[in-house]
Amino acid sequence: SQQGEEDPQALSIQEGENATMNCSYKTSINNLQWYRQNSGRGLVHLILIRSNEREKHSGRLRVTLDTSKKSSSLLITASRAADTASYFCATPQGGGADGLTFGKGTHLIIQP
Amino acid sequence: DAGVIQSPRHEVTEMGQEVTLRCKPISGHNSLFWYRQTMMRGLELLIYFNNNVPIDDSGMPEDRFSAKMPNASFSTLKIQPSEPRDSAVYFCASSRGPRASAQHFGDGTRLSIL
Repeated sequence: SQQGEEDPQALSIQEGENATMNCSYKTSINNLQWYRQNSGRGLVHLILIRSNEREKHSGRLRVTLDTSKKSSSLLITASRAADTASYFCATPQGGGADGLTFGKGTHLIIQP
Repeated sequence: DAGVIQSPRHEVTEMGQEVTLRCKPISGHNSLFWYRQTMMRGLELLIYFNNNVPIDDSGMPEDRFSAKMPNASFSTLKIQPSEPRDSAVYFCASSRGPRASAQHFGDGTRLSIL
């Protein structure tokens, strides 16, 4: 079953604008990860945030985690055409296992 | 550094045939994962190995699916006999561990069963 669910399913914005994607999950977690997938390629790890962290930055990426609401958000600032991709949140399958459960993803399109 | 390498990139075969997908993880990574991606079900974990030992195969859909990791640098996922509903993109990923580590994905094998 899906643990993380991204929202929105699709997002189209102009280059230079900020893009925000949200993820909700069902059970307690010790970390949450975000991945990007370009068409026809494998997933690329973007950022990992632990349950005791509320916010984390990496370049133009900002991730927040609210464990009380079981939700996370990914903000991409100053978007570029190259950011066009699908973005997935992923949570541990449970029991601290290594395997990840992925949401269905948000398809982001950056219009030049 | 070389990433996770999967072969073949594309496979088209007729139902009933045996299919073998191959994966070479990143050197030094001790966890290896097989995922399947479809439009309907998204990304699903099939099985994962830690130090070459299968840890959790609860995601393997049926006995027709089997996976092996004979050494730290090679893994296979086999489907025998294949069925049209097995058509999907199959990804292999590896991580350094311990738990809560970034997973590094190969570019996948796009499998079509006719």
